[in-house]
Amino acid sequence: AQKVTQAQTEISVVEKEDVTLDCVYETRDTTYYLFWYKQPPSGELVFLIRRNSFDEQNEISGRYSWNFQKSTSSFNFTITASQVVDSAVYFCALSFSGYSTLTFGKGTMLLVSP
Amino acid sequence: GAGVSQTPSNKVTEKGKYVELRCDPISGHTALYWYRQSLGQGPEFLIYFQGTGAADDSGLPNDRFFAVRPEGSVSTLKIQRTERGDSAVYLCASSFSGPNTGELFFGEGSRLTVL
Repeated sequence: AQKVTQAQTEISVVEKEDVTLDCVYETRDTTYYLFWYKQPPSGELVFLIRRNSFDEQNEISGRYSWNFQKSTSSFNFTITASQVVDSAVYFCALSFSGYSTLTFGKGTMLLVSP
Repeated sequence: GAGVSQTPSNKVTEKGKYVELRCDPISGHTALYWYRQSLGQGPEFLIYFQGTGAADDSGLPNDRFFAVRPEGSVSTLKIQRTERGDSAVYLCASSFSGPNTGELFFGEGSRLTVL
């Protein structure tokens, strides 16, 4: 069985603070894919990143960075110098190679206040 | 527009009624997915189409739920004899290929309320 746990239900920060969203996953497969999606108030999920299980290199994209650690089954997401526009629900998700579904965590609501 | 379009955006119905939700994917996307999102939860997979055929319908909760994609483009999710527990946001997504090879593009969802 596969499972994604996002233990943080809601995080509140003040603009310009750095914030890390945690994601822990469970899987028995050796080949799998990890994702982060952002869901703003409009409701439309927006793809942020995809990572395969063989690529443990951390990635940085502007103010966003991702830390993938197979040893702890974690795929954490950090926003540097947060902005009000970052306020949204963020979902971590997992899929298997050749399998058709994404398994999502319950999401973390991020509130960034001015 | 160029994104995934879902109609209606909101649907209120009475228990026992029949409902259809429509999804118009991004042009050229062969894969189409339906997910259901309850309040405070992540999206849950319902069904996946590759072209006209349902490649995986293992997420459909029971036989009251059915989906079609007759021409490999627009899809309709059909719910018979609706129950209050069916109330949720139904999300449609599309992609060029399978879910783990690229990003999924989601619509804004159809919010279904069953009274």
